Amino acid sequence: AQTVTQSQPEMSVQEAETVTLSCTYDTSESNYYLFWYKQPPSRQMILVIRQEAYKQQNATENRFSVNFQKAAKSFSLKISDSQLGDTAMYFCAFMKLFNNAGNMLTFGGGTRLMVKP
Amino acid sequence: NAGVTQTPKFQVLKTGQSMTLQCAQDMNHEYMSWYRQDPGMGLRLIHYSVGAGITDQGEVPNGYNVSRSTTEDFPLRLLSAAPSQTSVYFCASRNPTVNTEAFFGQGTRLTVV
Repeated sequence: AQTVTQSQPEMSVQEAETVTLSCTYDTSESNYYLFWYKQPPSRQMILVIRQEAYKQQNATENRFSVNFQKAAKSFSLKISDSQLGDTAMYFCAFMKLFNNAGNMLTFGGGTRLMVKP
Repeated sequence: NAGVTQTPKFQVLKTGQSMTLQCAQDMNHEYMSWYRQDPGMGLRLIHYSVGAGITDQGEVPNGYNVSRSTTEDFPLRLLSAAPSQTSVYFCASRNPTVNTEAFFGQGTRLTVV
């Protein structure tokens, strides 16, 4: 079974600054995806960024980028130029590929990020 | 395009009552799943389905039943509600042949008193 750990329950950052959220995972799989989901106060789950394990290049989406260290099983999220709208709960998630179990998601416990004006 | 629709958005139950949380998707996705969200524990998989007529248990299935008679609908049944089932419930769907993104409903906040 896979486990995903987010060691920072809460973080805060000043508007316009950069913040990094940590995520580690444990798996014996070699083919998988990693995700960061954002959950604002509206409760909606929003996909922020995804990373394929077979790709060495780190994924980027505008102000969001990841540092994927496969050997260390680490997958951190960097938010640059933080905005007030980035205030949310962030979840790291793992999905293994090529099985018969529907490739469902395993989530970490979440990091609550507050962006301060 | 409505995506994934969950009803109701809020519900209060008394211990021992039963109810069904509804989930419907209009994207013709094969895969559907139910998660519960509890503080500090993220989202945990309750049950999932890889197609109509096929369901299986996830990490925390006890106290819940599911069925998948159509591609569109995947209801979650609480047979005899307990305070430990107080949580926020999310339904999600995905098309496994197109991409890896799961689409989530807006959640149901359930309180069992």
